Amino acid sequence: SQQGEEDPQALSIQEGENATMNCSYKTSINNLQWYRQNSGRGLVHLILIRSNEREKHSGRLRVTLDTSKKSSSLLITASRAADTASYFCATPRGGANSKLTFGKGITLSVRP
Amino acid sequence: AAGVIQSPRHLIKEKRETATLKCYPIPRHDTVYWYQQGPGQDPQFLISFYEKMQSDKGSIPDRFSAQQFSDYHSELNMSSLELGDSALYFCASSFPLGARTDTQYFGPGTRLTVL
Repeated sequence: SQQGEEDPQALSIQEGENATMNCSYKTSINNLQWYRQNSGRGLVHLILIRSNEREKHSGRLRVTLDTSKKSSSLLITASRAADTASYFCATPRGGANSKLTFGKGITLSVRP
Repeated sequence: AAGVIQSPRHLIKEKRETATLKCYPIPRHDTVYWYQQGPGQDPQFLISFYEKMQSDKGSIPDRFSAQQFSDYHSELNMSSLELGDSALYFCASSFPLGARTDTQYFGPGTRLTVL
């Protein structure tokens, strides 16, 4: 996948710390989405940010979008062991209800 | 709240066999997507359906076919299975166009192992 490259690829932090994950993309988008995947399980939608939004919050999640740099960041505050998972950013290719292109994913480990 | 249902959850097949995966979207969702996720890989789009018609096609092998039925459930048919087909197969569904949301809701996936 060339769209939605995340960094770092793996992140290990202590419970209570904040985790920041970054994603870059190449083409124009109308929105960017973040998903979480627990080991070998389904993808859970976390948050969607539209191209005309710069920042969005949902509980302990904060997402930013910089369309000039074609990048987004996902911040998880006060992390918990249950946040241990892989995180993907995804962008739709095309108009509404179009396929998602996922990045490589970031593996987050939160140590208790 | 109802979620996307996929069956079976696990499937083991031999090479050259066929497999059928089923997906039941969230009620009132009219678009269904299929994705394949290999070990350690990101999900890759295979195919999608809107109102029972194929709406987009990705990197889906010719050995695979899919359709969406009148009740909006979808089936992915895979023939002449190869070892490389071993992966997690996800189905996702979304609200109708014009619902002002592009969120896709994913099912738990079917883990296919080809021996």
